[in-house]
Amino acid sequence: GESVGLHLPTLSVQEGDNSIINCAYSNSASDYFIWYKQESGKGPQFIIDIRSNMDKRQGQRVTVLLNKTVKHLSLQIAATQPGDSAVYFCAENTGGFKTIFGAGTRLFVKA
Amino acid sequence: NAGVTQTPKFRVLKTGQSMTLLCAQDMNHEYMYWYRQDPGMGLRLIHYSVGEGTTAKGEVPDGYNVSRLKKQNFLLGLESAAPSQTSVYFCASSLGQENQPQHFGDGTRLSIL
Repeated sequence: GESVGLHLPTLSVQEGDNSIINCAYSNSASDYFIWYKQESGKGPQFIIDIRSNMDKRQGQRVTVLLNKTVKHLSLQIAATQPGDSAVYFCAENTGGFKTIFGAGTRLFVKA
Repeated sequence: NAGVTQTPKFRVLKTGQSMTLLCAQDMNHEYMYWYRQDPGMGLRLIHYSVGEGTTAKGEVPDGYNVSRLKKQNFLLGLESAAPSQTSVYFCASSLGQENQPQHFGDGTRLSIL
């Protein structure tokens, strides 16, 4: 069946270090991938997306990498800050507008 | 620009009671969605709508009903609340095109006693 999962449920990093959050997906037909950030008591917030015809996309301090060969997605956060502490979800579009969400990885940033 | 607004933010119900959760978006989005979020699980789609007057079932629709009478509003109803429906409910909206991110409200925390 289709699934979107995360390798690490929690990740703890030192302030200023780079963070890497990983995600595996199982549907090789998925053509659109999204990363969301969810802070405590808030709804998921869009961070960055990538289409299947790309293998890398950069935003402000964030980079998403897509490896279709092994069906792997990662989110890299440069110079991690305390404000980056949150739960991060990856999600895949399996066709049209339907989205499957992973369970999330909690990122802790140590000052 | 408020984005997606959900009301109420918190609610406690007794088993068997009914209630309606309201979602409003001001982005002129065609698509709207209702999800539930439970500990350790990803967001699960309850119902969705691809336009005013249309609704469809998602992954976990049982015990819920929805209505989309106006493009900007999407209502989620619980006819007879059950403890299994204790959850955080999120509404989202997106443009009426493929491969667009969803924009979420801040959720309604619902407890059924």
